[in-house]
Amino acid sequence: GAVVSQHPSRVICKSGTSVKIECRSLDFQATTMFWYRQFPKKSLMLMATSNEGSKATYEQGVEKDKFLINHASLTLSTLTVTSAHPEDSSFYICSAGLAGLQETQYFGPGTRLLVL
Amino acid sequence: TQLLEQSPQFLSIQEGENLTVYCNSSSVFSSLQWYRQEPGEGPVLLVTVVTGGEVKKLKRLTFQFGDARKDSSLHITAAQTGDTGLYLCAGEPGGTSYGKLTFGQGTILTVHP
Repeated sequence: GAVVSQHPSRVICKSGTSVKIECRSLDFQATTMFWYRQFPKKSLMLMATSNEGSKATYEQGVEKDKFLINHASLTLSTLTVTSAHPEDSSFYICSAGLAGLQETQYFGPGTRLLVL
Repeated sequence: TQLLEQSPQFLSIQEGENLTVYCNSSSVFSSLQWYRQEPGEGPVLLVTVVTGGEVKKLKRLTFQFGDARKDSSLHITAAQTGDTGLYLCAGEPGGTSYGKLTFGQGTILTVHP
């Protein structure tokens, strides 16, 4: 099956610093990738839709200046948490759709962010 | 915004028991997916249902999509401790929301030996 990777898997940073998370589709091209946030024992909350070659579309309530998304190629999307604060600590997960297979989203393994 | 109500949120059962998880919505979805997620990992797709009334079986797991494509259920027969995890349903509205998923709240299943 299609594989999506995320890097890093875990990151600890100081408050005020910026953190970049990468999402890669390893064996397929994805024109659209999605970024989710998940709190412990809770469901996934969609943050934004990342579109290759164009601006990301953010869900209501998600600050686009806080969570910068770049989708520079068909296999890579990045999420940068700028000026991170402890409340940004969470599990961030990306997914990518296999072009031509409408219903299937493949999820990355997630990135655990802890802001001290 | 289309919402998916998933129930129950928590389920604690003994090994060998049967269980059913439900996902309900007032909206129609073009497809509905079920995922299982382990702690610290991303969700893993179990099944996608597309056709109203569709039933799919995956070993001891049976998935059903409602006739009107507004609801779905996951039934596990003779649960095993290895079934423990977070189960998520997710619906795709279709149309201009291509690929965009709406997730239910999740069901945390614990199967005791």
